[in-house]
Amino acid sequence: ILNVEQSPQSLHVQEGDSTNFTCSFPSSNFYALHWYRWETAKSPEALFVMTLNGDEKKKGRISATLNTKEGYSYLYIKGSQPEDSATYLCALSHGSSNTGKLIFGQGTTLQVKP
Amino acid sequence: KAGVTQTPRYLIKTRGQQVTLSCSPISGHRSVSWYQQTPGQGLQFLFEYFSETQRNKGNFPGRFSGRQFSNSRSEMNVSTLELGDSALYLCASSYVEGARGAFFGQGTRLTVV
Repeated sequence: ILNVEQSPQSLHVQEGDSTNFTCSFPSSNFYALHWYRWETAKSPEALFVMTLNGDEKKKGRISATLNTKEGYSYLYIKGSQPEDSATYLCALSHGSSNTGKLIFGQGTTLQVKP
Repeated sequence: KAGVTQTPRYLIKTRGQQVTLSCSPISGHRSVSWYQQTPGQGLQFLFEYFSETQRNKGNFPGRFSGRQFSNSRSEMNVSTLELGDSALYLCASSYVEGARGAFFGQGTRLTVV
């Protein structure tokens, strides 16, 4: 059974703090690693899809890195704002080709206090 | 471009009944996947449909089934509902080519009483 682990489970930071989360996954049969942001009462929103070892992606104040050899990805938020409060999910696509099957971690819930 | 649409948004059913949930994907997306989220659990993969065929299946009992139509719209059916089926059901659509990510609907909140 494939297992995707995220840490920490939750995080409370002050506005302006920078923070990062970790996603660990089995490195065998890797196809892609996805990051999503999920705000309450909304649908999960795709942030990044990464496929290559060493990939780095950036979107505004949020960035992510990928290490497929050791099986981890980091998500960084620089200068957190209250609107960043959400649950951040990582998900693994594995196998030899792209399919719609994603294996999700439990998520990291971020609370940013003004 | 319209997003992924799920109907209904909320549903209350009685134990033993059956239920059908619907998902309309983004235009051009041919893959539709379904996920279940229960309290304390992450998103659990139910199944994926592509070209009207089930391509992947998660570890759920046979009471959970689905289908996909020629316009890529998908339905999910749960028969003989149990209290433990109370959950948020999300569907996601995606392109098949390349790792371009999946787009989610807002979900159907099913409560079984």
